[in-house]
Amino acid sequence: EAGVAQSPRYKIIEKRQSVAFWCNPISGHATLYWYQQILGQGPKLLIQFQNNGVVDDSQLPKDRFSAERLKGVDSTLKIQPAKLEDSAVYLCASSLGTGTNEKLFFGSGTQLSVL
Amino acid sequence: GQQLNQSPQSMFIQEGEDVSMNCTSSSIFNTWLWYKQDPGEGPVLLIALYKAGELTSNGRLTAQFGITRKDSFLNISASIPSDVGIYFCAGFNFNKFYFGSGTKLNVKP
Repeated sequence: EAGVAQSPRYKIIEKRQSVAFWCNPISGHATLYWYQQILGQGPKLLIQFQNNGVVDDSQLPKDRFSAERLKGVDSTLKIQPAKLEDSAVYLCASSLGTGTNEKLFFGSGTQLSVL
Repeated sequence: GQQLNQSPQSMFIQEGEDVSMNCTSSSIFNTWLWYKQDPGEGPVLLIALYKAGELTSNGRLTAQFGITRKDSFLNISASIPSDVGIYFCAGFNFNKFYFGSGTKLNVKP
C-alpha cells in the first residue's frame, strides 16, 4: 500500500519569496493534515481537512499561509511571503477519518529553509 | 490545546539495555499512538493502542494504554544502534491528534 506522498523533499528560498508544497494522502483516507515541525519539537497542526472541507485552521497564519484540497484527495500548502521563522519541516499526514480506531500516517516531509 | 508531557527528554544508553519512556496528560484520550522519527524523515507509526489497559507489542517494542486513559508507556527491550531516533507519543480524541515533544534516544554500541 502506497504511503503519504510529499514533494519537494527540500526547498531553500529567500525571505519574502513564495513556496508551495504538495501532498497526496493514502488512498481512501478522508482526513488530511498539514503540520509544522520546528527542530526539537513535536508536530504542530496547521490545518485539518475532512474530505475537501476545513475542520480546523485555527493555528494557520492566514495572512501568509493558505491551503486547499479541492477534490478531497491531494492538497497544496502555500506560504507567501515567507519569513525567516517559517524555516521548519512541513509534514503532511492522513487518516481514515472515521473517528474510531484511528491511525495517523505521515509523509517524509518537506524541509524548508528561509534565508 | 491539550498538552502531552513526554519524558524523559533524552536518554543515553548502552546497546543491549532496556528503555522506558512515558507520556502523560491532564485529559483523557481514546487512542494512544507511538512514533519513531529518524533525521530528515517523517514520523513512522510503531504501535497503536485503543483500550484502557491494553498492552501491545511490535517486536522488541511494547506499549501500554494507561488505566486512567491519561497516560501511555513505551518500552524497548535489548536496544540496538538502529533504535537511535526521536520517539513521539500522540493522543487522539474529539477528532484531533495531540503530540508530545519527543524523547531523543541515543544508543552507544
